[in-house]
Amino acid sequence: GQQVMQIPQYQHVQEGEDFTTYCNSSTTLSNIQWYKQRPGGHPVFLIQLVKSGEVKKQKRLTFQFGEAKKNSSLHITATQTTDVGTYFCAVTSMTTDSWGKLQFGAGTQVVVTP
Amino acid sequence: DGGITQSPKYLFRKEGQNVTLSCEQNLNHDAMYWYRQDPGQGLRLIYYSQIVNDFQKGDIAEGYSVSREKKESFPLTVTSAQKNPTAFYLCASKPRSGTGGGEKLFFGSGTQLSVL
Repeated sequence: GQQVMQIPQYQHVQEGEDFTTYCNSSTTLSNIQWYKQRPGGHPVFLIQLVKSGEVKKQKRLTFQFGEAKKNSSLHITATQTTDVGTYFCAVTSMTTDSWGKLQFGAGTQVVVTP
Repeated sequence: DGGITQSPKYLFRKEGQNVTLSCEQNLNHDAMYWYRQDPGQGLRLIYYSQIVNDFQKGDIAEGYSVSREKKESFPLTVTSAQKNPTAFYLCASKPRSGTGGGEKLFFGSGTQLSVL
């Protein structure tokens, strides 16, 4: 079956530093989504990537979809305390119904030190 | 306000008891989902429904049951067959493809279920 790996599982960042979290799939993806879950909250949609090599930016967040459509990254520059939370990737495989099962990675839990 | 409402926020289950978690949405979304979240394991799909009166098993459906009698409602029953039910349960919905809403999921605020 499809495997979705997110690394690292845990990221401790000093405020102002940059960091990157990665999402890797064993199969080619139709698309990938990123969500953020604040402590005690529920996941909130951040972005969706569809095209090979696609890069999208949201302020200090940069999302990239790999050329082979098997991996993705989220890079955050100048980390702030508001970036605290768990970041999940969620994937739809090329072999599954496009609005059926969306598989989530285990998430990267981000802690920011002031 | 439009959105997804889950209730209760906290729920306790006694051994051998069935409990039902409520999920209601007024977003007019066709598809609804139930996920289970355990620490360090991300979200795992329990059941999903793409249309009224139809639903499919997800990856961890054993010990759970659902119904979809109305478009707005997708209740989840945790049965006594589910031996390790303690987890955070999230309900989500999304519109049909091509309606302009994209493929993104909208989540409720979740129900924390614990075993007494």
